[in-house]
Amino acid sequence: GAGVSQSPRYKVAKRGQDVALRCDPISGHVSLFWYQQALGQGPEFLTYFQNEAQLDKSGLPSDRFFAERPEGSVSTLKIQRTQQEDSAVYLCASSPAGTSGGYNEQFFGPGTRLTVL
Amino acid sequence: AQSVTQLDSQVPVFEEAPVELRCNYSSSVSVYLFWYVQYPNQGLQLLLKYLSGSTLVKGINGFEAEFNKSQTSFHLRKPSVHISDTAEYFCAVGKTSYDKVIFGPGTSLSVIP
Repeated sequence: GAGVSQSPRYKVAKRGQDVALRCDPISGHVSLFWYQQALGQGPEFLTYFQNEAQLDKSGLPSDRFFAERPEGSVSTLKIQRTQQEDSAVYLCASSPAGTSGGYNEQFFGPGTRLTVL
Repeated sequence: AQSVTQLDSQVPVFEEAPVELRCNYSSSVSVYLFWYVQYPNQGLQLLLKYLSGSTLVKGINGFEAEFNKSQTSFHLRKPSVHISDTAEYFCAVGKTSYDKVIFGPGTSLSVIP
């Protein structure tokens, strides 16, 4: 497809379950970002990849959150032992360039809405 | 560190009336500035961006924004709104082309027919 895709679009989990959220960036995009958007709030940064390297994970709220991008393309955000406060929309964005050059727009996917009961 | 303030959480406006959505930011370094729009159950779409140069930036769907460095503001305007403009609008800042984007809390624009 032409844009960033995310799956599943909706996920309901019982408290304590593990979940995995997938992001397919635009083909060839070097940079990949994950954001968390709680209800009624703006997105907040979670983590950033340049190819397969995770260069910034300062926004991950706890060690229950883990992200990977093993081949520098598809990325997975995993949340272990989900809690109710993890309920949010998780957005993925990709950008064509890495750490050099001018501005490169981040293209956002539709998000995965996670509800933890 | 950068931060973004959007003073108006909700803005109701009648169709074909003008609208201004306010945004103020704080940063100790030069930043890029953005406005994104989010329609219900959809991802974020870039409306416009300020990188450098002219302080008046024009974007898609008839929106424009003006960068004011002295007031650290980047207000979004549209001279005549349509029903289809009803959405959530986010102001955001970024330090570099590869850095994370810091979003404001959002302004919900409701266009009343």
